[in-house]
Amino acid sequence: SYVLTQPPSVSVAPGKTARITCGGNNIGSKSVHWYQQKPGQAPVLVIYYDSDRPSGIPERFSGSNSGNTATLTISRVEAGDEADYYCQVWDTSSDQVVFGGGTKLTVL
Amino acid sequence: QVQLQQWGAGLLKPSETLSLTCAIYGGSFSGYYWSWIRQPPGKGLEWIGEISHSGSTNYNPSLKSRVTISADTSRNHFSLKLSSVTAADTAVYYCASGYIYAQRAFDIWGQGTMATVSS
Repeated sequence: SYVLTQPPSVSVAPGKTARITCGGNNIGSKSVHWYQQKPGQAPVLVIYYDSDRPSGIPERFSGSNSGNTATLTISRVEAGDEADYYCQVWDTSSDQVVFGGGTKLTVL
Repeated sequence: QVQLQQWGAGLLKPSETLSLTCAIYGGSFSGYYWSWIRQPPGKGLEWIGEISHSGSTNYNPSLKSRVTISADTSRNHFSLKLSSVTAADTAVYYCASGYIYAQRAFDIWGQGTMATVSS
């Protein structure tokens, strides 16, 4: 089965740029989605199709995907961005949704 | 605006069957895929499975033998049954769908239901 690998944690100072990676075999050939989840809340889609933002998501959130790594980039990080972030793909070879293990973003 | 409202039993004993239902408000069941996702306390998201507008299903292989996802299109509901539960099935269960976007980008989520398995 397809596996997505994320770092367990990323720390960043306010105003700086956070980058959260999501590794998978030839992930560049798949569409990657990213979710933000704050404690006690359902996940929220922040990036879909590698790099598109849903309505209402700040432009500070961006995404890229190439080779074996997809990346969620959060520019000018704010305290309110502190949350868990998950990457996700639809694996067409197995008809399965696959989530990464999640990354806890800490704003210092 | 499409919303999902879910409900079901929150406390189960080992070996019982977990049953949850998710209602679709402000939208149609037809033409979309509808998923169940769970999250054990302090852990990550796990996809359980989905049902399509045509009634076809896909399940996570690790749960397939115990999972049934069904739909009542006349009532705009879909449901999850997970049999023979153990403490490892304790989790928040979410219904979700990629209503606007394809490739299973989940843009709408239910509020979540905590299911606890304990003797």
